[in-house]
Amino acid sequence: DSGVTQTPKHLITATGQRVTLRCSPRSGDLSVYWYQQSLDQGLQFLIQYYNGEERAKGNILERFSAQQFPDLHSELNLSSLELGDSALYFCASSVALTAYEQYFGPGTRLTVT
Amino acid sequence: DAKTTQPPSMDCAEGRAANLPCNHSTISGNEYVYWYRQIHSQGPQYIIHGLKNNETNEMASLIITEDRKSSTLILPHATLRDTAVYYCIVRVPHAGGTSYGKLTFGQGTILTVHP
Repeated sequence: DSGVTQTPKHLITATGQRVTLRCSPRSGDLSVYWYQQSLDQGLQFLIQYYNGEERAKGNILERFSAQQFPDLHSELNLSSLELGDSALYFCASSVALTAYEQYFGPGTRLTVT
Repeated sequence: DAKTTQPPSMDCAEGRAANLPCNHSTISGNEYVYWYRQIHSQGPQYIIHGLKNNETNEMASLIITEDRKSSTLILPHATLRDTAVYYCIVRVPHAGGTSYGKLTFGQGTILTVHP
């Protein structure tokens, strides 16, 4: 158990819909990261927040957005969903702004039908 | 971040040492080598990292060659639960700009531990 929690575990939704994935980092961790893992693209970094501010961005689609709240939990919002957005979405956290050790949650499996 | 090359798959007998190689011939002086693993569909798990000295923790040992162009992750007594995809990642730990915390995962090595 990494100490990072993600909800929900599974999500099935239809194309065009909007969903919100939630992540609670380990106690004391200020950085939260989001990654997407699909069969054809592998594990891809999406975005990083540190203490409420966006600090690094990967190839995150404009239809996706994220935020980190004052209690440090984070939400990833996915809108106008397409079939290709079906993937595992992982949240990770670390104490620092940089990446020595990142602790990953169990993931949210999103299926878009 | 330097590019890494890993064999796509390896096998190991339970109880034996698993030696997973990683080539990073373009590594620069301030880049660290990190290893993570992912057991089927679970979140990746940090294993170990190093700069140039060999490192050991409760999970594994990391051997980095003197020229730093390659490294080997050693699981000293592999168990069935070590079956996973192992990722070798090279990066500067204190990069700023747009890549502070970004980890770039390649295809990794699928390690299968057999009874």
